[in-house]
Amino acid sequence: TAGITQAPTSQILAAGRSMTLRCTQDMRHNAMYWYRQDLGLGLRLIHYSNTAGTTGKGEVPDGYSVSRANTDDFPLTLASAVPSQTSVYFCASSDPIRTEAFFGQGTRLTVV
Amino acid sequence: DAKTTQPPSMDCAEGRAANLPCNHSTISGNEYVYWYRQIHSQGPQYIIHGLKNNETNEMASLIITEDRKSSTLILPHATLRDTAVYYCIVRVGGGGADGLTFGKGTHLIIQP
Repeated sequence: TAGITQAPTSQILAAGRSMTLRCTQDMRHNAMYWYRQDLGLGLRLIHYSNTAGTTGKGEVPDGYSVSRANTDDFPLTLASAVPSQTSVYFCASSDPIRTEAFFGQGTRLTVV
Repeated sequence: DAKTTQPPSMDCAEGRAANLPCNHSTISGNEYVYWYRQIHSQGPQYIIHGLKNNETNEMASLIITEDRKSSTLILPHATLRDTAVYYCIVRVGGGGADGLTFGKGTHLIIQP
């Protein structure tokens, strides 16, 4: 199975522009998450969704929005990108019954 | 406050056992110890978890002290591909990523 797929792999974005990072999973997991990873700061939770139709804010939600229209997809949108949003973004999913979380391969975003 | 303390880096010779320590002196009775690793430029990968008993799977062994204030992840026969950052995380039961607070981890370098 593909697991979790993120797109694009990398992107250079002009400040002020909007962008949506895509995340799709084929494991039928209820819960999905977005993290960002910055050098020296580790992985930090941006937003999460425990089930389709619900979302919640993580540690660093400002400047980001998410939606969860169905089980498989969990897009992350930057409405007006700023240079401080330059980061590597990871999507993850998990099932409450399972004991592990699965992570995608990441999207490297550079805002210039 | 950090829930876990890990050495920032460790070296290990290829073919030898790699023993990665983690201190979690404030762990609660319902919190599990999880280990993830992140190979360069990839998403984090689940390794193993445990509550109070020692655990073993195809990747590693987890040794938890009787007082549960520390643990050791053991990679029995380290290979070059095991070079990665290893994260020790404590959280309540269930595998979801919402409670995964990633610290800085231990950068394990396997030497040929």
